[in-house]
Amino acid sequence: GDSVTQMEGPVTLSEEAFLTINCTYTATGYPSLFWYVQYPGEGLQLLLKATKADDKGSNKGFEATYRKETTSFHLEKGSVQVSDSAVYFCALSEGDYKLSFGAGTTVTVRA
Amino acid sequence: DSGVTQTPKHLITATGQRVTLRCSPRSGDLSVYWYQQSLDQGLQFLIQYYNGEERAKGNILERFSAQQFPDLHSELNLSSLELGDSALYFCASSVEESSDYGYTFGSGTRLTVV
Repeated sequence: GDSVTQMEGPVTLSEEAFLTINCTYTATGYPSLFWYVQYPGEGLQLLLKATKADDKGSNKGFEATYRKETTSFHLEKGSVQVSDSAVYFCALSEGDYKLSFGAGTTVTVRA
Repeated sequence: DSGVTQTPKHLITATGQRVTLRCSPRSGDLSVYWYQQSLDQGLQFLIQYYNGEERAKGNILERFSAQQFPDLHSELNLSSLELGDSALYFCASSVEESSDYGYTFGSGTRLTVV
């Protein structure tokens, strides 16, 4: 079945450091791919998405490119802030009813 | 505010009891999804409704049931509660029946079974 594997955390960074969170997927077709972010005590918020190969999703300084050849959708941000501390989830949809989520990566940014 | 409203935010109840979680979707959204988030299982899809009809079931226990009403709000009923049912329960909504464009989550109901 469809699945998403993302790098285990926790990840701890200093402010202004570069962030990468790896995400790879397994799917039978051509899924849509997503990154969601969950801040402490809140629900999940859609951060960015890409619906076809080579698409780049971007939002709030975060970017991810849909790479069909490597079945990946890695999340990157060039300069993180303390406010980026959160749990990040990679997810996929194959056009059916549900999103399949990865296990989540906890990111902590220190001032 | 995401536009998806979940009540209550917190619920503490005893084993064996029954609770009802409520979700109002974002205005204009026809699909409602329920997810359970726990530390050991991560985010697990429970069930989806679209315009009042059940569309898909995931890892939902027989002790759990849900429905979507004509005004599109949804309720998740959990009965014969066990300690292991303690988790965050999220509702999400979308305009589409398909999940291809993602969906909007509520802030969740934290259920603690004691």
